[in-house]
Amino acid sequence: AQSVTQPDIHITVSEGASLELRCNYSYGATPYLFWYVQSPGQGLQLLLKYFSGDTLVQGIKGFEAEFKRSQSSFNLRKPSVHWSDAAEYFCAVGANPPHAGKSTFGDGTTLTVKP
Amino acid sequence: EAGVAQSPRYKIIEKRQSVAFWCNPISGHATLYWYQQILGQGPKLLIQFQNNGVVDDSQLPKDRFSAERLKGVDSTLKIQPAKLEDSAVYLCASSLDGMSGNTIYFGEGSWLTVV
Repeated sequence: AQSVTQPDIHITVSEGASLELRCNYSYGATPYLFWYVQSPGQGLQLLLKYFSGDTLVQGIKGFEAEFKRSQSSFNLRKPSVHWSDAAEYFCAVGANPPHAGKSTFGDGTTLTVKP
Repeated sequence: EAGVAQSPRYKIIEKRQSVAFWCNPISGHATLYWYQQILGQGPKLLIQFQNNGVVDDSQLPKDRFSAERLKGVDSTLKIQPAKLEDSAVYLCASSLDGMSGNTIYFGEGSWLTVV
């Protein structure tokens, strides 16, 4: 069965500092991997996704993630954090289509940005 | 382009009562999903529709939850009777055709509190 672990429940960074959110997954085949962001009271918004090809994936809002098969990781990074990035971030691993919606989500990492 | 619309946004009911949530997906999206997000956890897929047919409802507690998508557009999720543990955010989402390459767009969610 597929699973996702986000080891950090809460991370605090200063505005302008770099950010890395960790994600480890377990999946039997080539995974479909996603990062979503959820602002308070809002639904989830897709930041980026990985299906195949280049292991460094660029997303929206200046985020990127790197797929490392040997480490079963898909960490999210941003070189310089803005106050508006404060939110909850979810990593997810998806099943093969047509069950792509049956993604397994991690329990999320809450990001706080200090001025 | 209009996003995924959900209503009501907030609902408080007593245990053993019933509740229904409505979802209108993005126009032209064939695939519709209902997720349950308990506080502090990532979303969990309850049911996935492709047009008006069910693709996956393996995680739907069918003794109390039901969902339908008449005419392949709007959808309703019903809980009857509600239990305390059903307190959660119910997220509706849609995608073009449910294939892994298509982005899943989420609504803002319907917050349910069972007292």
